[in-house]
Amino acid sequence: RKEVEQDPGPFNVPEGATVAFNCTYSNSASQSFFWYRQDCRKEPKLLMSVYSSGNEDGRFTAQLNRASQYISLLIRDSKLSDSATYLCVVNIPNAGGTSYGKLTFGQGTILTVHP
Amino acid sequence: NAGVTQTPKFRILKIGQSMTLQCTQDMNHNYMYWYRQDPGMGLKLIYYSVGAGITDKGEVPNGYNVSRSTTEDFPLRLELAAPSQTSVYFCASTLRGPQHFGDGTRLSIL
Repeated sequence: RKEVEQDPGPFNVPEGATVAFNCTYSNSASQSFFWYRQDCRKEPKLLMSVYSSGNEDGRFTAQLNRASQYISLLIRDSKLSDSATYLCVVNIPNAGGTSYGKLTFGQGTILTVHP
Repeated sequence: NAGVTQTPKFRILKIGQSMTLQCTQDMNHNYMYWYRQDPGMGLKLIYYSVGAGITDKGEVPNGYNVSRSTTEDFPLRLELAAPSQTSVYFCASTLRGPQHFGDGTRLSIL
């Protein structure tokens, strides 16, 4: 089983649609969770951290389910500018419980928003 | 407001050549990382460092070397370039929490 697994998509949605991405992780000791956005041929950029209680940032909502070991990202009222690859990112502690900030990236989910 | 700076942005190497990819950050971050990203794939960790003088292997370290003589700099060395090392290389840093990325080095080995 991959450490971090995402549906690669692609997701093709019209402007204004609501779209949701899920991501599963294998290590139950993981403590930090993020969604990054990556535009074509660019570096990944932090979209939002994911907190245990769930969190919202404008049109974006992130949820964490520790029992089932998955995180989700919901995008409401999609814009053309939301077209990008969305990366699920999880810290993976080593056997001693430390991670030294190391993160494991999912392969990404491609989103295309069309007019 | 430089953040993480990588040089060069593009490079073409011949098989067997060597080169150093430079990475510097001005945020006084302890942790620094090197990743590679192949087309359509996620990022793979090559090496990381938790502070000056301390480095460790990531998931795909073969064919690479690193050093960390200062907090700011974390160069990645390719000694004998191979076609399999054609990729986009990203450097990142953090104090804790999410990582900040440089804008990448696109490397082709021909």
